[in-house]
Amino acid sequence: DIQMTQSPSTLSASVGDRVTITCRASQSISSWLAWYQQKPGKAPKLLIYKASSLESGVPSRFSGSGSGTEFTLTISSLQPDDFATYYCQQYNSYFRTFGQGTKVEIK
Amino acid sequence: EVQLVESGGGLVQPGGSLRLSCAASGFTFSSYWMSWVRQAPGKGLEWVANIKQDGSEKYYVDSVKGRFTISRDNAKNSLYLQMNSLRAEDTAVYYCARESGSRRRNDYWGQGTLVTVSS
Repeated sequence: DIQMTQSPSTLSASVGDRVTITCRASQSISSWLAWYQQKPGKAPKLLIYKASSLESGVPSRFSGSGSGTEFTLTISSLQPDDFATYYCQQYNSYFRTFGQGTKVEIK
Repeated sequence: EVQLVESGGGLVQPGGSLRLSCAASGFTFSSYWMSWVRQAPGKGLEWVANIKQDGSEKYYVDSVKGRFTISRDNAKNSLYLQMNSLRAEDTAVYYCARESGSRRRNDYWGQGTLVTVSS
């Protein structure tokens, strides 16, 4: 199975900060990577797919990059609504796997 | 508007069974792969299983193979997860999610249903 490793596990930041989350795959997944945002008690929400494509309706301050085994999610200017947990997911394989999550907290 | 509504969760004893349902609306259900994803209390997301449009292909995470069965009824716009031989570690919120696009990311999710396995 393909293992996904996110870093950091927790990130403390302030409104207006630029935030970067990293996701590494245990083998190449080409660009078949998605990023999701989840708030407490809610379902995950798709932000980015195919590593860098912005899902419709998602603010442009979110961006994704990478290919192969290294990927990043960047929030260009953190907003109050962005404090949440973020997950990467590979969908290169029929057996999907998620990263362990990165919680973005208020500093 | 795409809607996915899960039901069937509850409290069950270890070794017991439960059947989850997911009612889909707002899109042509029979045209999409569908997934189940779970989240144990305070933990991360774990993909559980997915199924092709016509039910001819199904894939499972190793920890549920032989115990869980994913199925669908396209006439009823419904997805199911039959869970047998339940264990404490199966306790989680179970989400159904639609898959779409090339290689199929999960673009729409239900609100989830809680399954608690405890004596």
